[in-house]
Parts: sequence; structure tokens; C-alpha cells
Amino acid sequence: GNSVTQMEGPVTLSEEAFLTINCTYTATGYPSLFWYVQYPGEGLQLLLKATKADDKGSNKGFEATYRKETTSFHLEKGSVQVSDSAVYFCALRAVNTGFQKLVFGTGTRLLVSP
Amino acid sequence: GAGVSQSPSNKVTEKGKDVELRCDPISGHTALYWYRQSLGQGLEFLIYFQGNSAPDKSGLPSDRFSAERTGGSVSTLTIQRTQQEDSAVYLCASSLDRVGNSPLHFGNGTRLTVT
Repeated sequence: GNSVTQMEGPVTLSEEAFLTINCTYTATGYPSLFWYVQYPGEGLQLLLKATKADDKGSNKGFEATYRKETTSFHLEKGSVQVSDSAVYFCALRAVNTGFQKLVFGTGTRLLVSP
Repeated sequence: GAGVSQSPSNKVTEKGKDVELRCDPISGHTALYWYRQSLGQGLEFLIYFQGNSAPDKSGLPSDRFSAERTGGSVSTLTIQRTQQEDSAVYLCASSLDRVGNSPLHFGNGTRLTVT
């Protein structure tokens, strides 16, 4: 079945540090890949997405590249801010199997200190 | 425009009672999802509605859980004879259509506490 594996948190960084949150997936067919973010006290919101191999999704300084050869979609940011502290969820959605639900990883909490 | 609206935002109930959770999706969104977020468990898929098709109920954890979507819009998730392990945040999401790259828009959730 389809699944997503994320690195366990929390990830603790100082402001302006480089961020990587690893995400790998298992899927039949050709999934679309997503990163969602949940800020404290708020609902989940889409951060970025990529729909085919080698696509790079980007938003708010975050980037992730769809790597089919390594089945990965790692999230990166060059310089984190305190306001980036949140829980980040990697997710996939299979396109051509009729299997429409979004499958999430367990989430990675990021804590950024000043 | 208005986002996905869920009510109530918090619900405390006694073990054994039934509860109903409501979701108003974004207008025009044909797909609607329910997920459950438990502490340390990530997001667990419960049920998916797409237009007039039969729902995908494959994630419902037991027959105490059911959901319906009336008129292709509002959805209600019902939990009968609640148990303490049902305590979680129940999230509703909607998306524009069944295309795989259409993002989900989430509500803020209903926090259910079973005492």
C-alpha cells in the first residue's frame, strides 16, 4: 500500500540555520507529493507540492524536489526563522489508481530558537 | 472566501455517549475527507466522499463510526458509544475535485475528549 515515512522530531534549530526534514514514500502508480504545515493553534495548510518526477515545489523559502529514483521529497530551507516553528507533514496522493485519499506521514515538529 | 468550517471546536463527552461532528466544506468542492489526529499518531484517514459516488469508508476504525454527506455539501461524522481511545482531533478537509494534485483545504478541527 501507499505510505510515507518522515524523520522523527523534534528538530531543534537556531534562527538562520539550514533545515532539512527527510521524507520518503512508497506508492503504486505515480503519486503527487505534498508538504503540509500546522502552526501552533491553527489548522493544516498546504505548504508546497510537486506532481511529477524532478518537479521542485517551493513556497515561503521552503523547497522540496520530487526524486523518483530515491522515492524522496525532502523539505529544505536555507535560513529558518522563529516563525517557522510548526509541525510539518509529508503526504502523497496517488493519481492513476483511483485511490484518492491523501496519505500522511506522522509529522515532524520543528522548534526554532532566537 | 470562507474556508472549511467545523463545529463544535471542542467537545467533551462521557464514555458511552454518542457524538456528532459537523463539517461545512468550501462551496463548490466535490471531495470531502475526514481524518483523525491523535497525539503522537499523525493523521489517520477515516472516510472520503466524492460527488455522488459511494464513499471510501476503508479508514473507519470500527462500526461505531459512521459519516454521511447530505446534498453533496455538509457532512456529519457520528461516533456511537464513545470510548476513551476516541479522544483526538477530528479534521475535515475538502478539495476541488478528484484530480490527484488538487490540494486539500483543512478545517481547524474538533477536539474530542472522552472522559
